[in-house]
Amino acid sequence: EVQLQQSGPEVGRPGSSVKISCKASGYTFTDYVMNWVKQSPGQGLEWIGWIDPEYGSTDYAEKFKKKATLTADTSSNTAYIQLSSLTSEDTATYFCARGQLGGYFDYWGQGVMVTVSS
Amino acid sequence: DIQMTQSPASLSASLGETVTIECLASEDIYSNLAWYQQKPGKSPQLLIYDASSLQDGVPSRFSGSESGTQYSLEINSLQSEDAATYFCQQHHDYPDTFGAGTKLELK
Repeated sequence: EVQLQQSGPEVGRPGSSVKISCKASGYTFTDYVMNWVKQSPGQGLEWIGWIDPEYGSTDYAEKFKKKATLTADTSSNTAYIQLSSLTSEDTATYFCARGQLGGYFDYWGQGVMVTVSS
Repeated sequence: DIQMTQSPASLSASLGETVTIECLASEDIYSNLAWYQQKPGKSPQLLIYDASSLQDGVPSRFSGSESGTQYSLEINSLQSEDAATYFCQQHHDYPDTFGAGTKLELK
């Protein structure tokens, strides 16, 4: 059974960074890209970017290029997203989602709530 | 970026009814469209991909279709568990973009 288990909720001070994890199981981690999606409170979904765990290659949406850094550890089948220079606009739930070759997302993590507060 | 205009923003329907949700793409996305269902406090679940292919395990009362740049999700014989928010996503060109969502309420 494919599962994406994300880390727990985070609280970050303005200007600080947080790092969220997404541990994959039930499939070969390096066979699929991992996407990250942001959902602001009561809002829709924004694609942040993807990482290919096999090669470490990444692609980001323009607005997240200076905000997010995607990495992956193939030894632990875990993908990470680091969010830097936090502002109130970063308060949101962040999902990891496995990417199929066609580009759609077939499995999602449970989401991590990040709250930016002083 | 490709814009996805989703309608309606919300709708209310009764058990057993049929509803249709639409997404209009700002340019041709060549059937590269997915539909997701999201319940409160949960992550989105894939329903339909490539405009009309049903994801494994999804009930057959869900179906997708297209006409030009207009894509539709139809839900037949509404069940109580269908109350949720539905999103479309174009996966033709980066960045992937989503519709704003349709909140479906059961009467």
